[in-house]
Amino acid sequence: QKEVEQNSGPLSVPEGAIASLNCTYSDRVSQSFFWYRQYSGKSPELIMSIYSNGDKEDGRFTAQLNKASQYVSLLIRDSQPSDSATYLCAFKPGGYNKLIFGAGTRLAVHP
Amino acid sequence: KAGVTQTPRYLIKTRGQQVTLSCSPISGHRSVSWYQQTPGQGLQFLFEYFSETQRNKGNFPGRFSGRQFSNSRSEMNVSTLELGDSALYLCASSRTSEGETQYFGPGTRLLVL
Repeated sequence: QKEVEQNSGPLSVPEGAIASLNCTYSDRVSQSFFWYRQYSGKSPELIMSIYSNGDKEDGRFTAQLNKASQYVSLLIRDSQPSDSATYLCAFKPGGYNKLIFGAGTRLAVHP
Repeated sequence: KAGVTQTPRYLIKTRGQQVTLSCSPISGHRSVSWYQQTPGQGLQFLFEYFSETQRNKGNFPGRFSGRQFSNSRSEMNVSTLELGDSALYLCASSRTSEGETQYFGPGTRLLVL
């Protein structure tokens, strides 16, 4: 079993729709979870960090964490073509300052 | 505040050579982590340095090594390059070594021929 599971996509949504990205992880003691966005040929950029169960909103982005289910998701409201990228889910194993990444979900927002 | 910088941005080497990559963290950040990204394996953790000490290490052979200087700048070295070492090497910095968000540099793209 991989430490982080993500649907590789591509996830295709029309402009203005809500994109829903999901991720499951294996480390029960992890406290830190992150979503990064990576455009083709570029480095990952942080979208959101989340540490507590529940929802965290930042502009058009909402991260949801459910530690009991070992599940974290990212919702992108009013999707724009500029949101087309690969979205990487990551967590820090308990006690370690290293990120464990999923394979990423490719999102395509079409006009 | 300036972001993480990495040099060089692109590099072409041949098998058997060695390479040194450099990373300057965000000002005030003392932790530097290195990652390798390939199409097949994705993003994988190499090692982390904090206050000039290697704190964490990923599952890579001993050909991959690193160090950190007193100004928090870090270098990684790959000796006896193999074709499979072709990858994007990313450096990320954080303020401390505890659960902090890591910010990535632009990466060094290494091609081994």
